[in-house]
Amino acid sequence: EDQVTQSPEALRLQEGESSSLNCSYTVSGLRGLFWYRQDPGKGPEFLFTLYSAGEEKEKERLKATLTKKESFLHITAPKPEDSATYLCAVQSGGYQKVTFGTGTKLQVIP
Amino acid sequence: SAVISQKPSRDICQRGTSLTIQCQVDSQVTMMFWYRQQPGQSLTLIATANQGSEATYESGFVIDKFPISRPNLTFSTLTVSNMSPEDSSIYLCSVEYSTEISYNEQFFGPGTRLTVL
Repeated sequence: EDQVTQSPEALRLQEGESSSLNCSYTVSGLRGLFWYRQDPGKGPEFLFTLYSAGEEKEKERLKATLTKKESFLHITAPKPEDSATYLCAVQSGGYQKVTFGTGTKLQVIP
Repeated sequence: SAVISQKPSRDICQRGTSLTIQCQVDSQVTMMFWYRQQPGQSLTLIATANQGSEATYESGFVIDKFPISRPNLTFSTLTVSNMSPEDSSIYLCSVEYSTEISYNEQFFGPGTRLTVL
């Protein structure tokens, strides 16, 4: 069974203080690893898909990287508007189901 | 990506009653999914709904409790039947897209926040 573990559960940063969120996964053949942002009371907002180890993707202050066992979401010089819960999810080969981690709740303080 | 809407956005219901949640997509999609997100928890897949076939339910979810309809390629409904307070949750529908440079990316609706008294 696919497993996703995210750490830390919560992270508090000062504005401008860069950091990384971790997503460790166990799958039988990775088909895709996904990062989402979720604001309170809203549905998850799609950020990135990573397909193979070594792949990197960037969007504004966010950069996602992937190895064979984990993914990192790097946040460079965060702003208060980056405060949200960041979810990691995986999809294994030949199966449509996406398994989500429990998320990292990020708070960026001005 | 897709524009996905859900109705209702929230509801407060009495135990023993049923609620039907609607999910509308602005384009035709093959795969639609229904998730549950309980307070403080992550997303759990309830079922996968393909047009023209019966929904496929995940372990712990049954059709009698969560009947799903998928009448066409842009619409689906999820009914939460005989509700109890344990059904209080956010219910989310999602669709899967593939393009020339990406595949199997899921996009989510805004969710339906259900409270059962």
